[in-house]
Amino acid sequence: SSELTQDPAVSVALGQTVRITCQGDSLRSYYASWYQQKPGQAPVLVIYGKNNRPSGIPDRFSGSSSGNTASLTITEAQAEDEADYYCNSRDSSGNHLNVVFGGGTKLTVL
Amino acid sequence: QVQLQQWGAGLLKPSETLSLTCAVYGGSFTNYYWSWIRQPPGKGLEWIGEINHSGSTNYNPSLKSRVTISVDTSKNQFSLKLTSVTAADTAVYYCAREGRSHYYGSGTYSYYYYMDVWGKGTTVTVSS
Repeated sequence: SSELTQDPAVSVALGQTVRITCQGDSLRSYYASWYQQKPGQAPVLVIYGKNNRPSGIPDRFSGSSSGNTASLTITEAQAEDEADYYCNSRDSSGNHLNVVFGGGTKLTVL
Repeated sequence: QVQLQQWGAGLLKPSETLSLTCAVYGGSFTNYYWSWIRQPPGKGLEWIGEINHSGSTNYNPSLKSRVTISVDTSKNQFSLKLTSVTAADTAVYYCAREGRSHYYGSGTYSYYYYMDVWGKGTTVTVSS
């Protein structure tokens, strides 16, 4: 399958922990990357590989993977974490390694 | 610090060709792949295609018949052309740098890819 499935919306109370998931067969072969996108802005990479954070990304963001599911966990969520989150990976079907994105999860911090 | 600066026409008529260019400032141009991604209004991200410094390309099968991505290594630039546009091509178009690496363990390789630098986006509207 070339699809990555995400829950459309998730909410979390300020200071609590939230997990955003991404499911797809390609995740059995490739690690997911995670992107945060705020309104009117370009996406920002927050997690890649097993659990790597680019410089400047707070350590409350972490990633994990099991089977066909990748997860992005935000520990002690802050108001500024409210955003859309997208996973992406490679799709190994066909002759080329196409890029696939999940549909995105809108995170609301209550 | 690597920056991507993109530009191109923002208003097109149906059947015209979309043309965007992305310039890479700072960092290596040869060690990465370079992608185009778009986002229709209120919707998610859609990958269009990618190219490396030697011109090797890979396109989204759903757009492949209309897409050409090219590279100019003398200027550290890459470009997108999308032919026969319709209203469905109205979107914000982003260019991005893609890194690739792998882990090795238990006799196998595990690969990962990541888009770590993005352009600011170009809004393209297709309207008659």
